[in-house]
Amino acid sequence: KAGVTQTPRYLIKTRGQQVTLSCSPISGHRSVSWYQQTPGQGLQFLFEYFSETQRNKGNFPGRFSGRQFSNSRSEMNVSTLELGDSALYLCASSANGVGSYNEQFFGPGTRLTVL
Amino acid sequence: DQQVKQNSPSLSVQEGRISILNCDYTNSMFDYFLWYKKYPAEGPTFLISISSIKDKNEDGRFTVFLNKSAKHLSLHIVPSQPGDSAVYFCAASPFGNEKLTFGTGTRLTIIP
Repeated sequence: KAGVTQTPRYLIKTRGQQVTLSCSPISGHRSVSWYQQTPGQGLQFLFEYFSETQRNKGNFPGRFSGRQFSNSRSEMNVSTLELGDSALYLCASSANGVGSYNEQFFGPGTRLTVL
Repeated sequence: DQQVKQNSPSLSVQEGRISILNCDYTNSMFDYFLWYKKYPAEGPTFLISISSIKDKNEDGRFTVFLNKSAKHLSLHIVPSQPGDSAVYFCAASPFGNEKLTFGTGTRLTIIP
């Protein structure tokens, strides 16, 4: 089975711009979560999508948004970029069986640099 | 408020010996715990997990122990190998919730 894929792997943007990152989960996985990793804050949960609906949300401003498509692929969008948005953005997928514990498997990440 | 804590930022262990990484949590709602290994500029790799109904789970060289009363878990790696050198994160979530709360990580260095 192919793993979680993320595109692009690297992005350079300037302040004020917006960016869209893409994630394809492991085949058959229905839950997709997004995380931000920075040296200062560590790994922090952004949001989770399941069956095209946002099911969980972390403590990030509304500039961070996402969506999920019927094939479970997901995108996240960051508008009005700030310098502090520079980070490694990680996508994770899980099978999310009902009433079970589900490991999350991560993609390689997208390194976003805001200048 | 750091709900998952890894108090040792780094750990060095001789090759072949046991590596023990520790993790503490404060949120009583957490009942599923995972360990991930991470290299720089890559995504975390899942290693092993444990649910709160167990106190031990083994997978090859990796064993995770959970002490619910102390809100403490540990990862044992035996024997340690040079390829184990990486940053290790523990993570926790409530049952049925995909939101993982991560610790700050421990950098493990295996000395040949």
